[in-house]
Amino acid sequence: DIQMTQSPSSLSASVGDRVTITCRASQSISSYLNWYQQKPGKAPKLLIYAASSLQSGVPSRFSGSGSGTDFTLTISSLQPEDFATYYCQQSYSTPCTFGPGTKVDIK
Amino acid sequence: QVQLVESGGGLVKPGGSLRLSCAASGFTFSDYYMSWIRQAPGKGLEWVSYISSSGSTIYYADSVKGRFTISRDNAKNSLYLQMNSLRAEDTAVYYCARDRGRGGGLLDIWGQGTMVTVSS
Repeated sequence: DIQMTQSPSSLSASVGDRVTITCRASQSISSYLNWYQQKPGKAPKLLIYAASSLQSGVPSRFSGSGSGTDFTLTISSLQPEDFATYYCQQSYSTPCTFGPGTKVDIK
Repeated sequence: QVQLVESGGGLVKPGGSLRLSCAASGFTFSDYYMSWIRQAPGKGLEWVSYISSSGSTIYYADSVKGRFTISRDNAKNSLYLQMNSLRAEDTAVYYCARDRGRGGGLLDIWGQGTMVTVSS
């Protein structure tokens, strides 16, 4: 199975900050990398797919980049509703696997 | 409105069984692969199983293989997960999700989840 790692595991930020989360795969996954946002008690929500494609309805302050083994999720200007846990996930091979998550909370 | 609604969770003793259901609406259910994903309390996401649009292709995580069975009824727009020989480590919120990636795991629509607790 492909292992996914994320850094940092948590971060504290202020509204308006630029936030970057990184994700690394244990082997090349081309661009088969997705990002999800999960708020407490809620289901995950797809934000970015295929490394850099914005899911319909997701604000443009979210962006993704990378290919191969290294990927980045960037929030250009953090908003109050963005405080959540973010998961990367590879959809290159079965089983699809998720990173351990990055919790973004308020500084 | 595109929606998935899970049901069937609850408290079950170790070794017991439970059947989860997922009702789909607002899209052509029979066109999509479907997956189950679980999340243990305070933990991350773990993919459990997927089924192809016709039901002819099925995969399971090693952790549930031989104990869980995924199925679907396209006439009823429903997805199921039969869980047998349940263990404490199966305790989790179980989500169904639409797989836009045809089994690859591009999970674009999720249900609200149903809690399964395995405890004596």
